[in-house]
Amino acid sequence: QSALTQPASVSGSPGQSITISCTGTSSDVGGYNYVSWYQQHPGKAPKLMIYDVTNRPSGVSNRFSGSKSGNTASLTISGLQAEDEADYYCTSYTSSSTLDYVFGTGTKVTVL
Amino acid sequence: EVHLVESGGGLVQPGGSLRLSCAASGFTFSSHWMHWVRQAPGKGLVWVSWISSTGSSSYYADSVKGRFTISRDNAKNTLYLQMNSPRAEDTAVYYCAREIATYKAFDIWGQGTMVTVSS
Repeated sequence: QSALTQPASVSGSPGQSITISCTGTSSDVGGYNYVSWYQQHPGKAPKLMIYDVTNRPSGVSNRFSGSKSGNTASLTISGLQAEDEADYYCTSYTSSSTLDYVFGTGTKVTVL
Repeated sequence: EVHLVESGGGLVQPGGSLRLSCAASGFTFSSHWMHWVRQAPGKGLVWVSWISSTGSSSYYADSVKGRFTISRDNAKNTLYLQMNSPRAEDTAVYYCAREIATYKAFDIWGQGTMVTVSS
């Protein structure tokens, strides 16, 4: 079971919108609506930003939104802010025989 | 306030053993499935294991199956990861994480504990 594929880096200017993709297979992203997204600042623990593809936990800004089409999930950050600069990871439940959850390769978001 | 605090990390020799702990507070620990997730230095997140709310079921990534054991003591609000025969590739920060009921996502994370496997 390989990691889900994410772009290594995405950048944008303050106020812009960016989208991070997360590509898997029909055994994970495409087969379940159990896709979640995490934000991780350097040296810190991950923070849940989106679960079940589109749901935002209480306290997470509505500038963050999720979607899915086929085997690819996406996280969109609108109105980009300096504090959004961090690493972002997607994850999905998987029917793989080798593990139950697979994470993405991670995307470094840079605010220019 | 909801908290998870890991402890027990450190330097361990290949083939040795180490037990990680994760103390929970601020929520009903016995109602939640719990997970361990690790992150090697400079690398991405990797799921390791889960345990059901009662402790009756558990599951492991193939990379640790047969060497690591997840357990919990609901009376002590504590999650454990027993690491036996660790290898150099097990070197990582280990996070415990709470699963949102039925949603297969991790809404609360500890700060992590570093495990270094080296002779």
